[in-house]
Amino acid sequence: QLQLQESGPGVVKPSETLSLTCTVSGGSISSRSYHWGWIRQPPGKGLEWIGSFYYSGSSYYNPSLKSRVTISLDTSKSQFSLGLSSLTAADTAVYYCARGEYQILSSLLYYMDVWGKGTMVTVSS
Amino acid sequence: EIVLTQSPGTLSLSPGARATLSCRASQSVSSSHLAWYQQKPGQAPRLLIYGASSRAIGTPDRFSGSGSGTDFTLTIGRLEPGDFAVYYCHQYGSSLITFGGGTKVEIK
Repeated sequence: QLQLQESGPGVVKPSETLSLTCTVSGGSISSRSYHWGWIRQPPGKGLEWIGSFYYSGSSYYNPSLKSRVTISLDTSKSQFSLGLSSLTAADTAVYYCARGEYQILSSLLYYMDVWGKGTMVTVSS
Repeated sequence: EIVLTQSPGTLSLSPGARATLSCRASQSVSSSHLAWYQQKPGQAPRLLIYGASSRAIGTPDRFSGSGSGTDFTLTIGRLEPGDFAVYYCHQYGSSLITFGGGTKVEIK
């Protein structure tokens, strides 16, 4: 059974860069059928897709965050990572990693079907 | 970007009642690329429905999805205690995927 687990610092200072890692177990991160994404949820609010990465090297980012986001895969470690720069208090949220279905023929992102439990990140000095 | 608007914001119902949740898109969602998630406090979202009406593995048949174009509905046939949660719609099938703001189903 596929499982995803987020890891990273719980508190980050304003203006710094957040680095989170998602470790995938029970399945291959190199599968052609899936993309690997990050979604966040500020306290008491809804879900916001941050971006996704496909094993071939294609990356997809939310335009509202694109200038600050980097997502990468490390297939040797079965991990993918999120980098988010220039942090402010508005970036305080629970960050989820998730697997999504990927439509190969059209290179389109499909729904997220397996999620990690999430990790809370607070931006504070 | 396709904006998804969910209504109502909160639905107060009794166990055994029928729940009808709405999700309206700012433009047509191609090929019914619309999913629904359930989220309970302190937990990650759980996929319930994809393709507007297909149940994910493990989704009870009291959950049903319908709709096309810009208007979609999630119906819960008879609410059980574990169904009281927040529900999100989600459009996909593009290079920019988005979520609705959520509908909270609470016990009346």
